[in-house]
Amino acid sequence: EDQVTQSPEALRLQEGESSSLNCSYTVSGLRGLFWYRQDPGKGPEFLFTLYSAGEEKEKERLKATLTKKESFLHITAPKPEDSATYLCAVQAHRGSTLGRLYFGRGTQLTVWP
Amino acid sequence: EAQVTQNPRYLITVTGKKLTVTCSQNMNHEYMSWYRQDPGLGLRQIYYSMNVEVTDKGDVPEGYKVSRKEKRNFPLILESPSPNQTSLYFCASSPGFIGVEQYFGPGTRLTVT
Repeated sequence: EDQVTQSPEALRLQEGESSSLNCSYTVSGLRGLFWYRQDPGKGPEFLFTLYSAGEEKEKERLKATLTKKESFLHITAPKPEDSATYLCAVQAHRGSTLGRLYFGRGTQLTVWP
Repeated sequence: EAQVTQNPRYLITVTGKKLTVTCSQNMNHEYMSWYRQDPGLGLRQIYYSMNVEVTDKGDVPEGYKVSRKEKRNFPLILESPSPNQTSLYFCASSPGFIGVEQYFGPGTRLTVT
């Protein structure tokens, strides 16, 4: 069964304190791995798509990386406005269920000044 | 403005009273999907549609119906709502269904008493 596990569930960082969020997955044939950011009371907002092991994507203070079993979202020198829940999702290669997306439960990040 | 809209945004109803949550996108996207988000369980896919007249079940389709008669609209129907369908619902769309990011609506908070 396809599964996505995110850790930690919650993370508190002081402004400027870099860290990483983890997303481990078990899926038979990865089509794509997605990172989203979700602010309270709002819909998720797309951040990155990763397709193959070794791939990296960057956007401002965020950098996403992918291995064969997990992805990391690195946050460098975070600011309070980076506080949000970060969601990871995977899509599998299987033809009959290509449209299925599996989300992890998210990591709630709080950055305090 | 490119967007996914959902209506209503908030709804309180009683058990057994049929309801429809509408979802519309103005980006000419092929793929649309419905999710529910519950504390501790994360986002779970209910149904998705890869094109007009094509719909498929996600992880938690029981108690829900969908239809895709037009490209822009993807309503979620609860024929006989029950309290365990109290949740936050999100509609999403994307320009394709393979490894492509989704754009989420603002969410509909449903309470079934």
